[in-house]
Amino acid sequence: GQNIDQPTEMTATEGAIVQINCTYQTSGFNGLFWYQQHAGEAPTFLSYNVLDGLEEKGRFSSFLSRSKGYSYLLLKELQMKDSASYLCAVRDLAGKSTFGDGTTLTVKP
Amino acid sequence: EAGVTQFPSHSVIEKGQTVTLRCDPISGHDNLYWYRRVMGKEIKFLLHFVKESKQDESGMPNNRFLAERTGGTYSTLKVQPAELEDSGVYFCASRPTETGYGYTFGSGTRLTVV
Repeated sequence: GQNIDQPTEMTATEGAIVQINCTYQTSGFNGLFWYQQHAGEAPTFLSYNVLDGLEEKGRFSSFLSRSKGYSYLLLKELQMKDSASYLCAVRDLAGKSTFGDGTTLTVKP
Repeated sequence: EAGVTQFPSHSVIEKGQTVTLRCDPISGHDNLYWYRRVMGKEIKFLLHFVKESKQDESGMPNNRFLAERTGGTYSTLKVQPAELEDSGVYFCASRPTETGYGYTFGSGTRLTVV
């Protein structure tokens, strides 16, 4: 099975950079995903990593190290609307994703 | 393209009653998933369809839950009889067969059993 760990809460200031870490243990790895979820809404897909390294998408970047079972989501130039829960999810070889508990990010002015 | 649609958005039922949730995935997405988030905890896997076949139903809590996807299009999740601990938000998600795609989630059905 999968075991996923990420911090429960983080706080950052508007305009700053924040890094949300995720560690995982898995019996079969077929990709790591980050989702954003605003309160009361559905999660939305942010990024996908299957090979080691950094994937950049605008203000958001995601990094993966498979040997270390580690990923991070980097958010630059934080905006108030980035306040949300960020979910790390690991996909197994059958295509099923297991989600972490989520990190609640609060962006303050 | 239309997104993943779930119906109803909210449902309040009494313990012992039956409720059926519906999910319409994105057209052409063979993979359909049901997840549940209970009491602010993590989103937990319930089951996975590939077309009309159940690929993995290891997350279904017990035999009070029945999921179907007749014809490989929309899916239903029936809870019968509902218990208090079934309360939560039920999410449906779909994705295409090709790798590299994340899930597209529906808005969820908030189920409250009283």
